[in-house]
Amino acid sequence: QKEVEQDPGPLSVPEGAIVSLNCTYSNSAFQYFMWYRQYSRKGPELLMYTYSSGNKEDGRFTAQVDKSSKYISLFIRDSQPSDSATYLCAMSAGDMRFGAGTRLTVKP
Amino acid sequence: DAGITQSPRHKVTETGTPVTLRCHQTENHRYMYWYRQDPGHGLRLIHYSYGVKDTDKGEVSDGYSVSRSKTEDFLLTLESATSSQTSVYFCAISGGRQSYEQYFGPGTRLTVT
Repeated sequence: QKEVEQDPGPLSVPEGAIVSLNCTYSNSAFQYFMWYRQYSRKGPELLMYTYSSGNKEDGRFTAQVDKSSKYISLFIRDSQPSDSATYLCAMSAGDMRFGAGTRLTVKP
Repeated sequence: DAGITQSPRHKVTETGTPVTLRCHQTENHRYMYWYRQDPGHGLRLIHYSYGVKDTDKGEVSDGYSVSRSKTEDFLLTLESATSSQTSVYFCAISGGRQSYEQYFGPGTRLTVT
């Protein structure tokens, strides 16, 4: 079993939809929880991070961490075609562990 | 890409040949990392460095070696390339070991035939 599980999708939504991306994990030592966005043939870029449990909001993006369930989520409100990318969850307790990534397409 | 360059950007090589990938940073960050990215596996850590001549193994280090003789350069070497090492390789940097914020380079696409 992988330490971090992420549904690879692909996920296709119409412009303006609310997108929900999720990851589960098995290592209770993880303290930092990150979401990276990766455009095609580019390196990942940090989108948001959360320390321990709770919610964090940044514009149209909201990250949630539920440590009791070992479950993290990223919500994208009013999705735009420019949000089309692969979204990687990542977690750290020293070494960083990444999910496989979910490919998202937002159609105009 | 946060002052990180990787070279070459693309390479095709034959099984059994040595290959060296270079990562160069202009941010003066202490930590540097090499990852590989494969479909279904996400990013997996190969090796990392916490200073000049200070390196350690990651999750998938077999078949790879690294060297760091200068703060700005981190080299990844495949001593004898195999087809299973066909992948996209990313270099990343961070200010600290526990840093949640890693900055990634543009990647090197390596094909071993």
